[in-house]
Parts: sequence; C-alpha cells; structure tokens
Amino acid sequence: DAKTTQPNSMESNEEEPVHLPCNHSTISGTDYIHWYRQLPSQGPEYVIHGLTSNVNNRMASLAIAEDRKSSTLILHRATLRDAAVYYCILRDDSSPLITTGNQFYFGTGTSLTVIP
Amino acid sequence: GAGVSQSPSNKVTEKGKDVELRCDPISGHTALYWYRQSLGQGLEFLIYFQGNSAPDKSGLPSDRFSAERTGGSVSTLTIQRTQQEDSAVYLCASSLYGTQETQYFGPGTRLLVL
Repeated sequence: DAKTTQPNSMESNEEEPVHLPCNHSTISGTDYIHWYRQLPSQGPEYVIHGLTSNVNNRMASLAIAEDRKSSTLILHRATLRDAAVYYCILRDDSSPLITTGNQFYFGTGTSLTVIP
Repeated sequence: GAGVSQSPSNKVTEKGKDVELRCDPISGHTALYWYRQSLGQGLEFLIYFQGNSAPDKSGLPSDRFSAERTGGSVSTLTIQRTQQEDSAVYLCASSLYGTQETQYFGPGTRLLVL
C-alpha cells in the first residue's frame, strides 16, 4: 500500500524559501499527490496537489520527481504564519469511491518552524 | 460561504459517560470524514460517509464508537462509555463528491475524558 514518509521537523528563516520533501516510493499511476497543512489549534487546510507536472498556486509550488517517487513542497518566502505541520498524502483518482485506508493516511507530517 | 462546522468546540466528560459530536459539512458536499488527533500526533482516520452510507468504517477503534449521517448532511459521532484514552481532538471534513477531492476541515471538537 502506498504511503508517504516525511521528516519530522524542519526550520527555516523568515523570508527565505523552504523545501519540504516527501517520499512515496510505492505510488501508483492513479495516485495524486496532495499537500495539506495544519496551523496550531486548527483543522488541516488544503495547500496544493498534482499528478505528474509541477504545479503552482498562490500558496506554494509542488515539484514532482520524474519517476513520481518523491515530491517537494516549496514555499517561496516563508512567513511566520507558515509555521505549521505539513502533510503529504496520496489520493487515488481512479474512483471517487476508493476507500483503501491509505486514502486517509495523514501520518505525522513535517513540523515547520519559521525563525524570525 | 460557510465552511465545515463542528459542535461543541470543547467537551469535558467523565469516564463512562456517552458523548455525541456533531458535524455540519459544507452544503452540497456528499462525502464526509471523521478523524481523531491525539495530542502531538497525526490524524487518525475513523470513518468515511458517501451520502448517508459509510463504505469505510475501518478506522473506528472499537464498538464503543459509532457514527451516522442523515439527509446526506449532518453527521453525529457517538462515543459510548468514554475512556480516558478517547481524549483527543475530533476533526470532521467534507469534500464535494469523492475521496480524491480536496477535503475541507472543521475546527474540531476537543474532547477531554476525566
């Protein structure tokens, strides 16, 4: 079953770029890579997702390795408000009713500390 | 528009009592999910609803836990005979149709069992 592995914690200086890695070596062809983040005392929020090509949105960029076995979430300029736990998750796109347990596996994520 | 709401925001109960936690998903979202997050831990999946049916109950930790969803909208998670290890934040999320879509989370219910 495809799962993800992430470092437990990372630090970044404010206004510097941050690269958050995620390994998913057993990813399947129909798995999308989703990133969520959880700010302190809040529920998780969606950040970005992609399949094969790199993706950009107003929050972040997602770089996906050519073999799709790893990906990197890029925050271009970290702010103090970006301090959160970042989760990398795989979602099977083949059917909206796929219910394998890994669809909902968030793991423990990467706790990002932003240093002023 | 309104996001996912949960009530109560905090609940303190005594060991052995039953509790009900409520989730109001985003209007029109057919998929609804319950998770549990213990202090300092990641999210633990509990149950997933598609409409009023639950195709995946695999995460419910024991038969003390049950959930229902009525009218394809509001969901209630019930914990019977609460134990101290049930203390956690219970998070609800919804998505428009299926499991491959973005999940929108509520603020959670913080449950403390004394």
